[in-house]
Amino acid sequence: SQQGEEDPQALSIQEGENATMNCSYKTSINNLQWYRQNSGRGLVHLILIRSNEREKHSGRLRVTLDTSKKSSSLLITASRAADTASYFCATADQAGTALIFGKGTTLSVSS
Amino acid sequence: EPEVTQTPSHQVTQMGQEVILRCVPISNHLYFYWYRQILGQKVEFLVSFYNNEISEKSEIFDDQFSVERPDGSNFTLKIRSTKLEDSAMYFCASRVAGGNTGELFFGEGSRLTVL
Repeated sequence: SQQGEEDPQALSIQEGENATMNCSYKTSINNLQWYRQNSGRGLVHLILIRSNEREKHSGRLRVTLDTSKKSSSLLITASRAADTASYFCATADQAGTALIFGKGTTLSVSS
Repeated sequence: EPEVTQTPSHQVTQMGQEVILRCVPISNHLYFYWYRQILGQKVEFLVSFYNNEISEKSEIFDDQFSVERPDGSNFTLKIRSTKLEDSAMYFCASRVAGGNTGELFFGEGSRLTVL
């Protein structure tokens, strides 16, 4: 299975702190994506990083990808209470059409 | 802004009954997906659909499941004979065409409760 596995499973921080979530996967990928899910809602795409990229930024988000270690990290800087959600990494392989999700990290940001 | 819409938002059914979950993908998207999420657990891939046929399916997507695009706008997931373990949130997603799997746009989900 190529699925990503995030850690930690849960993360609690204070507003203004940075939050780092990690994702590991098992097989070769075409790209890796991060999604956010507010409780009881649908998933929202945050950022996509291709297999030939090492780092990508979008606003307060920074994603890194290390294909040699088959791992990625998502950094949210200067977190806000509104960042409270579950965050999932998802991998797309070279040949298939499926996007396979990991188990997610639940982030709680308190004010 | 275009969005994926799903109906119903919540359906309660008896074990053994057939259920149809409906989705209207974003109009210019060509790939369609169904995922499920059992409460508090991970998001599981069920099936992808392109050009009026299944592109890929998971082990979960057995003979009890089927998908259909009955017209130019709807994309449906049918569960023929529901089981208790089918209780979950079902998400539809779509994306534009393209060889590599890019960003998926998700609906808000249909919660299925099987009694």
